[in-house]
Amino acid sequence: AQKITQTQPGMFVQEKEAVTLDCTYDTSDPSYGLFWYKQPSSGEMIFLIYQGSYDQQNATEGRYSLNFQKARKSANLVISASQLGDSAMYFCAMGEGLSGSARQLTFGSGTQLTVLP
Amino acid sequence: GAVVSQHPSWVICKSGTSVKIECRSLDFQATTMFWYRQFPKQSLMLMATSNEGSKATYEQGVEKDKFLINHASLTLSTLTVTSAHPEDSSFYICSARDLYRGISDTQYFGPGTRLTVL
Repeated sequence: AQKITQTQPGMFVQEKEAVTLDCTYDTSDPSYGLFWYKQPSSGEMIFLIYQGSYDQQNATEGRYSLNFQKARKSANLVISASQLGDSAMYFCAMGEGLSGSARQLTFGSGTQLTVLP
Repeated sequence: GAVVSQHPSWVICKSGTSVKIECRSLDFQATTMFWYRQFPKQSLMLMATSNEGSKATYEQGVEKDKFLINHASLTLSTLTVTSAHPEDSSFYICSARDLYRGISDTQYFGPGTRLTVL
């Protein structure tokens, strides 16, 4: 079974609008971390946001927020006020095990986001 | 902070030659570094986990004699693709985990190396 599923291969959003990128995960480990990364066409992976499995509140980082629904095993990324520079591939990833244990990451297949002017 | 560099950013080589890719954490110490491979339009696939001062742990299906990994210091890990063949052409990305960021243990990625084997 896929550990990380991103069902949207491509998404379009109008500039200045909000967009939600979906991510569901599958694990039996009670300890895990969820990460979102952005990969522009240049190739580098840019860390955006992190959510720990024991975190009570949804993570937020500037225009990025993570809609963490533990019972549904979903960790959707919400980008508010989209900008043209947000156009990129977005990857959801999960690391199983306790934080601090150098967890390996399993990546989803990615969502290509295009922001329209 | 948490900057990771990779060198070279791209390399073209002839079939049968070896290529070394360096991954450095510039402003933090990384006891653990990871090496990934990414084909066009695909996700990242973990190749190996590299721990400073010990042997790397390779994922299933990754030939350890072909992809030699050395993590000689807390800031440097190298990946050597030995006897490269055209099917080894890919985008190779390293990441490093900040030793002192034990809460989130986020991996910080290098800019990647695009390898083309002719």
